[in-house]
Amino acid sequence: AQKITQTQPGMFVQEKEAVTLDCTYDTSDPSYGLFWYKQPSSGEMIFLIYQGSYDQQNATEGRYSLNFQKARKSANLVISASQLGDSAMYFCAMREGRQAGTALIFGKGTTLSVSS
Amino acid sequence: GAVVSQHPSRVICKSGTSVKIECRSLDFQATTMFWYRQFPKQSLMLMATSNEGSKATYEQGVEKDKFLINHASLTLSTLTVTSAHPEDSSFYICSARGQQNTEAFFGQGTRLTVV
Repeated sequence: AQKITQTQPGMFVQEKEAVTLDCTYDTSDPSYGLFWYKQPSSGEMIFLIYQGSYDQQNATEGRYSLNFQKARKSANLVISASQLGDSAMYFCAMREGRQAGTALIFGKGTTLSVSS
Repeated sequence: GAVVSQHPSRVICKSGTSVKIECRSLDFQATTMFWYRQFPKQSLMLMATSNEGSKATYEQGVEKDKFLINHASLTLSTLTVTSAHPEDSSFYICSARGQQNTEAFFGQGTRLTVV
């Protein structure tokens, strides 16, 4: 079974609108972290937001917020007031456990296109 | 956030030659480094995990003799693609994490083209 599932290959939104990118995850480890990264066409991976499995509050970072629903194992990214520069590929990722040597597992990504 | 520098950003090489990619953590000690490979429009696939001073752990299906990984210091890891073939053409990206870090920081990536 896939550890990270992103069901939206592509999403389209107009400037200034909000958009939600879906992510569900699968793990039996009670300790895990969830991440969202943005990858523009240049290829660099830009860290957006992190949510720990024990965090009580949903993470927020500027225009980004993470809608963490633990029971449903979902960690959707909400981008408010979309900008043209938000057009990119977005990856949801998970790290299981607390050890520093554990790699991130990535979803297949969602391509977001913002139009004016 | 912390800075990870990956070099080169782009490389074109001939079939049969070897290419070395460097990944450096500039302002922290990277106890663990990860190497990923990404084909166009696809996800990042983990190739191997390396800890400073020890042998890398390779993911299933990744040939360790073809993709040589060295993590000789706390700030540098290298990936050498040996006897490169056109099917090795891909985007390779490293990630580094220190003992105290929650997140792993990514290098800029290397676009390898084998002709």
